[in-house]
Amino acid sequence: GAGVSQSPRYKVAKRGQDVALRCDPISGHVSLFWYQQALGQGPEFLTYFQNEAQLDKSGLPSDRFFAERPEGSVSTLKIQRTQQEDSAVYLCASSATAGLGNEQFFGPGTRLTVL
Amino acid sequence: DQQVKQNSPSLSVQEGRISILNCDYTNSMFDYFLWYKKYPAEGPTFLISISSIKDKNEDGRFTVFLNKSAKHLSLHIVPSQPGDSAVYFCAAIYIQGAQKLVFGQGTRLTINP
Repeated sequence: GAGVSQSPRYKVAKRGQDVALRCDPISGHVSLFWYQQALGQGPEFLTYFQNEAQLDKSGLPSDRFFAERPEGSVSTLKIQRTQQEDSAVYLCASSATAGLGNEQFFGPGTRLTVL
Repeated sequence: DQQVKQNSPSLSVQEGRISILNCDYTNSMFDYFLWYKKYPAEGPTFLISISSIKDKNEDGRFTVFLNKSAKHLSLHIVPSQPGDSAVYFCAAIYIQGAQKLVFGQGTRLTINP
């Protein structure tokens, strides 16, 4: 497919477990974003990559959250020692370039439930 | 603090009529505004956008209006169709930095036949 894909689509974790969420952006897209969407809310920015460089991680809620994009394509969002408040849908988006107005294409998200 | 606000969690409109979705923002530094549409179990999809230097942008049945002095924008859908039933998010963006989207809480639009 030509769109952004994310895996797994659903993840249930016990409190204290580590999880890894994967994002495959559209091929050739330079920019990659992660957002967190809590139930009934709009997506909130977590972090941004331009190619392999993480240029903004101001939205990461704590040092338990870590993201990487080592080769400038696939990205992984890792959450260590998950807590119940981490339960949310995690959305990945990519855009072709870094310029203003470039459309961000979203993946379907990973729904994380922490028990 | 919520920089982008959609004060109506839901809206119900009859098919064929006009749907008007509203959005307010607090930060005058935003340069660009976008509307996204979201179906269940899917990611948001881009619908229409407007630059802060314009006051109107039209694309088929969708028109976005921007009132900078009031820090308010609205999305008009006319005529409304059953397939328009979805959650609509207003979003804003800064020209500096990462161009990260700042979203409102969303409005669930239901089009009734």
